[in-house]
Amino acid sequence: DAEITQSPRHKITETGRQVTLACHQTWNHNNMFWYRQDLGHGLRLIHYSYGVQDTNKGEVSDGYSVSRSNTEDLPLTLESAASSQTSVYFCASSEGASEQYFGPGTRLTVT
Amino acid sequence: AQSVTQLGSHVSVSEGALVLLRCNYSSSVPPYLFWYVQYPNQGLQLLLKYTSAATLVKGINGFEAEFKKSETSFHLTKPSAHMSDAAEYFCAVSHSNYQLIWGAGTKLIIKP
Repeated sequence: DAEITQSPRHKITETGRQVTLACHQTWNHNNMFWYRQDLGHGLRLIHYSYGVQDTNKGEVSDGYSVSRSNTEDLPLTLESAASSQTSVYFCASSEGASEQYFGPGTRLTVT
Repeated sequence: AQSVTQLGSHVSVSEGALVLLRCNYSSSVPPYLFWYVQYPNQGLQLLLKYTSAATLVKGINGFEAEFKKSETSFHLTKPSAHMSDAAEYFCAVSHSNYQLIWGAGTKLIIKP
């Protein structure tokens, strides 16, 4: 069965360190998205991609970057982790305007 | 700009009672609409979707939603709540650029 996976599931890091969160989908979807979820803020879009070599900024992209070198993967990098980036991160994928399929999430704590 | 409003951040119902979670959207064109469910410490799972076919949409776990264009609403219902329905529910509308516009979520609490 097709799926979308995220790793690690939990991560603790220190302020200032670079962190990369992995997202891998086997749906063969062109569209991929990264969200963060925080109490009181719902889901907020960080970055998204419509295909290989395409990346776009979402509403809360400062301090984050992504790259898309193949269809399956969209890693999210925190260039210099800050305590404000402590959150739960979700990756999702979709085809066209259809529904998005979500990964299980990564809980990131920045100390 | 498109927006989605979910009325009530928390909704509490008794086990066996009707569940009604409200969602209103603003869109200048007929949208695709979605309801997702999130159980604790899990990702979001699609409950049901409206894609301009039947206005009454049936989903998983006994949930259904009715698209009412005149009211710009897409409320989620279930005739009889189970304890296992306790979760957070999100309404979303598709944007022209394939993004989803999300509601803030409604936490459903089931009282025994």
